[in-house]
Amino acid sequence: DSGVTQTPKHLITATGQRVTLRCSPRSGDLSVYWYQQSLDQGLQFLIQYYNGEERAKGNILERFSAQQFPDLHSELNLSSLELGDSALYFCASSVAKGAAGNTIYFGEGSWLTVV
Amino acid sequence: KNEVEQSPQNLTAQEGEFITINCSYSVGISALHWLQQHPGGGIVSLFMLSSGKKKHGRLIATINIQEKHSSLHITASHPRDSAVYICAVSVGVRGAQKLVFGQGTRLTINP
Repeated sequence: DSGVTQTPKHLITATGQRVTLRCSPRSGDLSVYWYQQSLDQGLQFLIQYYNGEERAKGNILERFSAQQFPDLHSELNLSSLELGDSALYFCASSVAKGAAGNTIYFGEGSWLTVV
Repeated sequence: KNEVEQSPQNLTAQEGEFITINCSYSVGISALHWLQQHPGGGIVSLFMLSSGKKKHGRLIATINIQEKHSSLHITASHPRDSAVYICAVSVGVRGAQKLVFGQGTRLTINP
């Protein structure tokens, strides 16, 4: 158990809909990262928050947004869903600001299927 | 060309064999991570390296910064080592770094 909690574990929704994925980082970790893993693209970095502030942005679509709340949990919002958004979405956390020099702890992932 | 390349993409071996998975990268990095992903999907961080060599049980990871290359070795491999092993590098500026991932190496250890 990494200590990173993601909900829901599985989600099936229709095209055009909006979903919210939730992540609770390990106790004491201030950084939260979101990643997308699809069959054709592999693992890709989406976005990072540190103590409530956006720190780094990757290949995140405009239809997607995220935030980190004062209690440090984070939510990834996916809207106007398309079939190609079907993927495993991972949240990860670490103590410090960057991915360098720090072990990153991954959640179990949220499986999203868009039909 | 991907910024992080792993080889081989697939590897099948017999229990007890010595396993090597390679990772080459083409960008400046501040650290390199080796991750393990089991069939259920969960990802576990195995090593974080910025130089030299690290060992944990039967696993050994090395990195050569000058050659931009890292290897993950598994000694006395066991069927429970069967998983996808992913190399990832930290890129970006201090405090705003992201991981760039290799495509993964699918390892199968047969009893």
